[in-house]
Amino acid sequence: AQSVTQPDIHITVSEGASLELRCNYSYGATPYLFWYVQSPGQGLQLLLKYFSGDTLVQGIKGFEAEFKRSQSSFNLRKPSVHWSDAAEYFCAVPFNNDMRFGAGTRLTVKP
Amino acid sequence: DVKVTQSSRYLVKRTGEKVFLECVQDMDHENMFWYRQDPGLGLRLIYFSYDVKMKEKGDIPEGYSVSREKKERFSLILESASTNQTSMYLCASKGVMIADTQYFGPGTRLTVL
Repeated sequence: AQSVTQPDIHITVSEGASLELRCNYSYGATPYLFWYVQSPGQGLQLLLKYFSGDTLVQGIKGFEAEFKRSQSSFNLRKPSVHWSDAAEYFCAVPFNNDMRFGAGTRLTVKP
Repeated sequence: DVKVTQSSRYLVKRTGEKVFLECVQDMDHENMFWYRQDPGLGLRLIYFSYDVKMKEKGDIPEGYSVSREKKERFSLILESASTNQTSMYLCASKGVMIADTQYFGPGTRLTVL
């Protein structure tokens, strides 16, 4: 079955530093892949999604992600992190009518 | 602007009480979902509905039921709340295409004492 794995439970970066959050997928065909963000006490908000075409996808809030079939990865990146990016990030893949989420990566931003 | 709303942000109930969590979406989506979110466990699907009066069990349906009498409204019911149902509950809705975005409500933090 389709699934995603986020290997990092918690990441800490300094404000202004670059960020990469990892996501690996398990899927037979070309997958649809999503990244969501959850700010503290809030629901999830879509950052970006990939379903075909260009393997580098641009999202909101300055985030991007790159689909790499050879590595079964869809890592999320941001060149310069802001304090307001502190949140939990979820990678997800559709499964039937549902969405399967990774366990999430909590991002802490140091001043 | 698309919207999924949930009836309460915070709820405190006692063991054995019947609890209703309501969710309303304004996007005319066919699919609606209830998840619970617990630290270290991510989001786990409780139930989803793909049409009015239609429902399917998710990964953890035990102790829960759902109701969808109108397309825009999807209710989660805890028939007899227990302390292990203390959690964050998230409602979501989505269109029928696989690449459609799933939109989430703000969540209800339920505490069962």
